[in-house]
Amino acid sequence: DAGITQSPRHKVTETGTPVTLRCHQTENHRYMYWYRQDPGHGLRLIHYSYGVKDTDKGEVSDGYSVSRSKTEDFLLTLESATSSQTSVYFCAIGPTTSGANVLTFGAGSRLTVL
Amino acid sequence: RKEVEQDPGPFNVPEGATVAFNCTYSNSASQSFFWYRQDCRKEPKLLMSVYSSGNEDGRFTAQLNRASQYISLLIRDSKLSDSATYLCVVNGDSNYQLIWGAGTKLIIKP
Repeated sequence: DAGITQSPRHKVTETGTPVTLRCHQTENHRYMYWYRQDPGHGLRLIHYSYGVKDTDKGEVSDGYSVSRSKTEDFLLTLESATSSQTSVYFCAIGPTTSGANVLTFGAGSRLTVL
Repeated sequence: RKEVEQDPGPFNVPEGATVAFNCTYSNSASQSFFWYRQDCRKEPKLLMSVYSSGNEDGRFTAQLNRASQYISLLIRDSKLSDSATYLCVVNGDSNYQLIWGAGTKLIIKP
């Protein structure tokens, strides 16, 4: 399997606190993505990166920021967490040898905002 | 209307049976289609890409119907281990943009 790890895997925090999720890859992939997954919704793209310091917004980027200072690390920050950001967050990398649009996902970070 | 729609299920199917489910998409310009599998509380994993002429991988067959804008997944001789949620994915207006269905839950019963 591709080397992609997320941390923390579980986090409970309070409304208004900052939260940073980390995605680390050992595959040297150019593209990295942050998605959120909620019941009744498909995966929704928050932000993505196409290189070091090159990032762009996805469809649900409000309330989130990202940074990529090294190829292997992509950080997702919630500046001031809200209950609506309770979700499972997945990091993904691509493209893979299976195709340009094929992604490999990390194990997910489950965030609860009280 | 959602861009990618799937019947959420669950589909309860006896072991050994054949099951099929569809996924409809709204963007007629979409060119890339995939099925991912997601086990409970795990990450999505690619099951198979869907090609224009249809394709098969063991017990799994994927079909694309451009005229009616849907893709399908057929599972033959279902196994208990096939129990999972199957996610349909279609590319959007740009190459990086993937639109995900909410998934169809499949439960295979002994």
